[in-house]
Amino acid sequence: QKEVEQNSGPLSVPEGAIASLNCTYSDRGSQSFFWYRQYSGKSPELIMFIYSNGDKEDGRFTAQLNKASQYVSLLIRDSQPSDSATYLCAAHSANDYKLSFGAGTTVTVRA
Amino acid sequence: DADVTQTPRNRITKTGKRIMLECSQTKGHDRMYWYRQDPGLGLRLIYYSFDVKDINKGEISDGYSVSRQAQAKFSLSLESAIPNQTALYFCATSDPYRDDEQFFGPGTRLTVL
Repeated sequence: QKEVEQNSGPLSVPEGAIASLNCTYSDRGSQSFFWYRQYSGKSPELIMFIYSNGDKEDGRFTAQLNKASQYVSLLIRDSQPSDSATYLCAAHSANDYKLSFGAGTTVTVRA
Repeated sequence: DADVTQTPRNRITKTGKRIMLECSQTKGHDRMYWYRQDPGLGLRLIYYSFDVKDINKGEISDGYSVSRQAQAKFSLSLESAIPNQTALYFCATSDPYRDDEQFFGPGTRLTVL
């Protein structure tokens, strides 16, 4: 079992809709969580990170963390065609300071 | 100028050849990482280094070796390349005092024939 699992996708949403991405993790020692966006053929870039239970908002993006359920999510509001990419969820372990990545969810925003 | 650079950006080689991928950074970070990415498998950690004297194996280190020549340089070697090492390779750096966010290089696309 991978340490970080993401909904497999691909996810297709119309422009202006909300895209919802989910991630679960198995290591209860994980303390912080990252969402990266990766365009095809490019390197991952950080969208946001979260380490406290609850919601964290940054522009059109909202990350949600529930440590009891070992669940992290990312909402993209008012989706734009430029949001079409693969989104990687990552969990940072406090034990060995490494990031474990999920396989990614590919999002396509239809104009 | 890019903060994390990788050379070469693309490489085609033959089975059995020795290959070195190089990574340089100007971010001043002590921590550096090598990942490979395969379709459907996400990023998998090959090796990581938390300072010049510290080298650690990741989850898929077999067939690879690394060298940390300086704080700014971290090289990945494939001693005898095989076709299933065909992948996209990323170098990354992080600063533990800034949430350990990882910054990625542009990647090296390696094809082993």
